[in-house]
Amino acid sequence: DAGITQSPRYKITETGRQVTLMCHQTWSHSYMFWYRQDLGHGLRLIYYSAAADITDKGEVPDGYVVSRSKTENFPLTLESATRSQTSVYFCASTTSGRAYEQFFGPGTRLTVL
Amino acid sequence: GDSVTQMEGPVTLSEEAFLTINCTYTATGYPSLFWYVQYPGEGLQLLLKATKADDKGSNKGFEATYRKETTSFHLEKGSVQVSDSAVYFCALSGGTGFQKLVFGTGTRLLVSP
Repeated sequence: DAGITQSPRYKITETGRQVTLMCHQTWSHSYMFWYRQDLGHGLRLIYYSAAADITDKGEVPDGYVVSRSKTENFPLTLESATRSQTSVYFCASTTSGRAYEQFFGPGTRLTVL
Repeated sequence: GDSVTQMEGPVTLSEEAFLTINCTYTATGYPSLFWYVQYPGEGLQLLLKATKADDKGSNKGFEATYRKETTSFHLEKGSVQVSDSAVYFCALSGGTGFQKLVFGTGTRLLVSP
């Protein structure tokens, strides 16, 4: 299917476990982003990537790791999950550095017990 | 740094009522301004945008005017429908080089029949 997809859509894990959230887009967009959405904070940027093998930190990167070996994939890993990382995670992509319009995936709801 | 402030929600209206959701921003330079909408269970999607002062963005009956003198970008709609129930996010992107989006905290709109 064309577009941007995220998996899993829902995940429950325990404190200290490693979790990887997947993001895949079919448009060959160069830029990809990971956000977390929390009540009272809106969306906050975790990491972004301008191209394969190029990533950079956003506003709240601590506790997260990203990689981008292929243009279409941008996985987000929580190396040792904490309760404060319970959130809804959105992946997005866009064609250029001028972020006029980002296209968002459906989100992953992560609960850390 | 750049920031966006939105009115607290939820905003509760009856069908066909007039809608205003306030948004003000703080930014250096001349940012572009956006309204994104998030329907239940979905990711965000761009609703409208304005890239320079006095521009009016419009889409699906929604409008917002970029007011540099008041640093505002209020969202309006003359007659809301039940299907407009969603969370609305004001956002900006600006600066030079790569332009990240900075989001407000979101305003939930509930429209009853």
